[in-house]
Amino acid sequence: DQQVKQNSPSLSVQEGRISILNCDYTNSMFDYFLWYKKYPAEGPTFLISISSIKDKNEDGRFTVFLNKSAKHLSLHIVPSQPGDSAVYFCAASAWSGGYQKVTFGTGTKLQVIP
Amino acid sequence: KAGVTQTPRYLIKTRGQQVTLSCSPISGHRSVSWYQQTPGQGLQFLFEYFSETQRNKGNFPGRFSGRQFSNSRSEMNVSTLELGDSALYLCASRGVTQETQYFGPGTRLLVL
Repeated sequence: DQQVKQNSPSLSVQEGRISILNCDYTNSMFDYFLWYKKYPAEGPTFLISISSIKDKNEDGRFTVFLNKSAKHLSLHIVPSQPGDSAVYFCAASAWSGGYQKVTFGTGTKLQVIP
Repeated sequence: KAGVTQTPRYLIKTRGQQVTLSCSPISGHRSVSWYQQTPGQGLQFLFEYFSETQRNKGNFPGRFSGRQFSNSRSEMNVSTLELGDSALYLCASRGVTQETQYFGPGTRLLVL
């Protein structure tokens, strides 16, 4: 049972435009959400996160939106740059057995075209 | 602070062999998680160790095992390797109250 889903395996965007990456989840117990970015042959790096008590968090060109009623979050990158081309994973965590249990999505490969 | 390190970075094995991968977490981090990444499958969770105890396990066969030492370093072992075990194996560490995991560069395993 995939509790965190990224339904778009890939996305192509022109440089300078907005990239929107989407993530859906099914477990209402998730209370913290994260986005990671991964380049080939490297480990994922943390990008941005949001707590379930918020609906928006912004960090420079990156903004994460959370819609709890729809169990949906999205990552907006504005403006997109060629260096943003990577695989993006969303992750969600919930308290279980006294610690935060993290579940990752399957990833979306973003290509920013110069 | 040094990041998460994994050794070896690349490994080639043949079917039926076994392999041990190593992970050194960020200093002070007591939680170490292991993931398998294959094309199209995202990050598949293997297990998580905290203070030398396995506290969470994914849906992998018993051929996949791990352990954590008192210095928080962790090893992952895969016995009787299969072609389908070819993947990037990632290790991640986090602090006690942190939701954010910090990943190592991974070990690329190729099974022939």
